[in-house]
Amino acid sequence: AQSVTQLGSHVSVSEGALVLLRCNYSSSVPPYLFWYVQYPNQGLQLLLKYTTGATLVKGINGFEAEFKKSETSFHLTKPSAHMSDAAEYFCAVSEDDYKLSFGAGTTVTVRA
Amino acid sequence: NAGVTQTPKFQVLKTGQSMTLQCAQDMNHEYMSWYRQDPGMGLRLIHYSVGAGITDQGEVPNGYNVSRSTTEDFPLRLLSAAPSQTSVYFCASSGLTRNYGYTFGSGTRLTVV
Repeated sequence: AQSVTQLGSHVSVSEGALVLLRCNYSSSVPPYLFWYVQYPNQGLQLLLKYTTGATLVKGINGFEAEFKKSETSFHLTKPSAHMSDAAEYFCAVSEDDYKLSFGAGTTVTVRA
Repeated sequence: NAGVTQTPKFQVLKTGQSMTLQCAQDMNHEYMSWYRQDPGMGLRLIHYSVGAGITDQGEVPNGYNVSRSTTEDFPLRLLSAAPSQTSVYFCASSGLTRNYGYTFGSGTRLTVV
């Protein structure tokens, strides 16, 4: 069975500061890992994904994430936060070609 | 525009009423699913389908029915609405998830009073 834990339900950062969102997963097989972003009153949008190959993956809007198998982690980072990064972020894991299990989400607030 | 279309965007129901949330995709995706989103709980899978005529239960299926008569459509039926079903509902579709991830609809905000 697969599950996802996102550490911290709320993160507040200053504009220009590093954004770090933590995600740990459990999976009985090599997983596929995803990060999604949700802006207010909208659906979820794919930021980036890891399937196989390079463990550091780059996504849209300057975000990147690193898959660390030994730590069962897939943390999301962005070197310099923008006001437009204020949103809710979800980590998700899949063990097959279809079903996704989502974490509880982390809300990011960016301070001017 | 290609994507996942959900209707309605907002709905208020009285306890005991039934209704159908509509979901349609035009990307010829095999996989479709329904999630509900509640504060602090992320998205929880209600039902999913891996193709026309094939459906299965997710994590929280009680009180909901689905059918998949065509590749494009995947309606979600609330049989007898309860206040606990107040939530935001998202429909999603995918080809092979590992290649593309999910495409989400914009959601239906349902309130049961």
